[in-house]
Amino acid sequence: RKEVEQDPGPFNVPEGATVAFNCTYSNSASQSFFWYRQDCRKEPKLLMSVYSSGNEDGRFTAQLNRASQYISLLIRDSKLSDSATYLCVVIGFGNEKLTFGTGTRLTIIP
Amino acid sequence: GAVVSQHPSWVICKSGTSVKIECRSLDFQATTMFWYRQFPKQSLMLMATSNEGSKATYEQGVEKDKFLINHASLTLSTLTVTSAHPEDSSFYICSAPKVPLETQYFGPGTRLLVL
Repeated sequence: RKEVEQDPGPFNVPEGATVAFNCTYSNSASQSFFWYRQDCRKEPKLLMSVYSSGNEDGRFTAQLNRASQYISLLIRDSKLSDSATYLCVVIGFGNEKLTFGTGTRLTIIP
Repeated sequence: GAVVSQHPSWVICKSGTSVKIECRSLDFQATTMFWYRQFPKQSLMLMATSNEGSKATYEQGVEKDKFLINHASLTLSTLTVTSAHPEDSSFYICSAPKVPLETQYFGPGTRLLVL
């Protein structure tokens, strides 16, 4: 089983729609969680951290369920500029190494 | 603005040559930096952890004699791909945490093409 698993997609979603991604992780001792965004042929960029209580940043909402070991990302009122690959990232306990999911490709359709 | 830089941004070289990639933290000191490799349509795979003042820690399956890492200062880590071959062609990215156990900032990456 992979340490961090995501549905690779692709998700093709009309502009203005709401889209949700899930991610599961295998190590119950994982301590930090993030969503990164990666555009084609570019480096990953931090979208948001994920906190146990859930957190929101504009149109983006992240949730963490430690009991079920999954993380979610919700994008509301999607824009064309949201088209990218979204990477679920986990940091294990006691270290700084990032473990990446395979990424979910999102395309927003006009 | 960018907080981690990489140089060069792209390299084309002949098989058998060695290629050095630099990763710099621009406005903070990084005792630890990470090197990743990403093949087309795949996720980032951690290759090694670069530690200032000590040896790098390599992930399983990564040849330390082929991918030489030197963390020369608190703001610079270098990755040298020795005797590069076409299968080493990839996107190499470094990252560094500003604050331990918190988010990491990625360099813009280096595209390596070995002919």
